[in-house]
Amino acid sequence: AIQLTQSPSSLSASVGDRVTITCRASQGISSALAWYQQKPGKPPRLLIYDASILESGVPSRFSGSGSGTDFTLTISSLQPEDFATYYCQQFNSYVLTFGGGTKLEIK
Amino acid sequence: QVQLVQSGTEVKKPGASVRVSCKASGYTFTAYGVGWVRQAPGQGPEWMGWISVYTGNTNYAQKFQGRVTMTTDTSTSTTYMELRSLRSDDTAVYFCARDRVGYSSGPYNFDSWGQGTLVTVSS
Repeated sequence: AIQLTQSPSSLSASVGDRVTITCRASQGISSALAWYQQKPGKPPRLLIYDASILESGVPSRFSGSGSGTDFTLTISSLQPEDFATYYCQQFNSYVLTFGGGTKLEIK
Repeated sequence: QVQLVQSGTEVKKPGASVRVSCKASGYTFTAYGVGWVRQAPGQGPEWMGWISVYTGNTNYAQKFQGRVTMTTDTSTSTTYMELRSLRSDDTAVYFCARDRVGYSSGPYNFDSWGQGTLVTVSS
């Protein structure tokens, strides 16, 4: 199965900062990647799909890029509600895997 | 609005089985597949499998093959996930989630989620 490696595993940042999270796939997956946000006690929330398409209702400060094996999620200006854990997920050949997560904390 | 409502907390002994239900509303139930994802305490999500409500076809993660069964009841818009031969490391929150892509042949990603069902396996 394709492995997804996220970095960093945790990150401290301040409101207003620009933040980038990376996700590397163990083999090429074209653009078959999604990003989710999860807060404690809640299910994941889809933010980005097909590597760069913003899900409906998601603020435009979130953006995704990449293809093949290297992907990034960028938050252009952190808001208080953005402090959460972020996961990437791939769906190559209908076998899904999630990354290990990046916990974004308030500095 | 799209809503997925799951059954309640379960406590099971090792070796037992558990069945979690997921009732959908707010959309055409047969148009979208439903996936199941679990999350052990302090861990990331783990995909277990997916079922096409339209065709009944299933796609299980290799790790769960032979131990999991996913079914649907279109008369009640409910999807079920049964996990057998439970072990302590099956303790987790189990989520159902609607696939983003309608009438798909397999899972993609998930745009609506149930609230989660805690399954605890303990002797």
